[in-house]
Amino acid sequence: NAGVTQTPKFQVLKTGQSMTLQCAQDMNHNSMYWYRQDPGMGLRLIYYSASEGTTDKGEVPNGYNVSRLNKREFSLRLESAAPSQTSVYFCASSDKGQINSPLHFGNGTRLTVT
Amino acid sequence: SQKIEQNSEALNIQEGKTATLTCNYTNYSPAYLQWYRQDPGRGPVFLLLIRENEKEKRKERLKVTFDTTLKQSLFHITASQPADSATYLCALDGTGRRALTFGSGTRLQVQP
Repeated sequence: NAGVTQTPKFQVLKTGQSMTLQCAQDMNHNSMYWYRQDPGMGLRLIYYSASEGTTDKGEVPNGYNVSRLNKREFSLRLESAAPSQTSVYFCASSDKGQINSPLHFGNGTRLTVT
Repeated sequence: SQKIEQNSEALNIQEGKTATLTCNYTNYSPAYLQWYRQDPGRGPVFLLLIRENEKEKRKERLKVTFDTTLKQSLFHITASQPADSATYLCALDGTGRRALTFGSGTRLQVQP
């Protein structure tokens, strides 16, 4: 099993460009999440999807959109990238969607916006 | 405001000693607290979960305590090894209890 797979691993964008970060999990998990990680600030929740067909905003949703394409896939879109969105983005999934369920993370997408 | 605080300074210890990492929180009433390990360039990996009515949880060389009065969790690694060198993150259920909120992590360096 691959677990949680994120693509691409690295990306450089110019200000104003758009892109979609892809995430897929093969564990049949109900819930999926997007976090960003910045030095000294820890992981901050951008959006999450408690189950297929639902999405909700997290702590830092501005400038992002998400799509829960099916149970396996949860994508994150930057419509007009800004330097403040330079970060490492992690996708995660969990079973049952209960808050005590451990998260399974991908290995991240390192995004630089110039 | 809600805060989760972990020591931002790296913890350096000698191999074989016990490492103790601290997670303090304010303005939360978590039902659960989790600990994760993160290696450079990788995503966090789940280690342990402790519930609010549990004082202590153990798994092999790992031990977690949870004191809801002090609003603190301690994470211990006994007989530490260089392979334990990593950043350790605590996480708890945040506002609305729909997703985990993470601390910024403490880097542990175990010297051989």
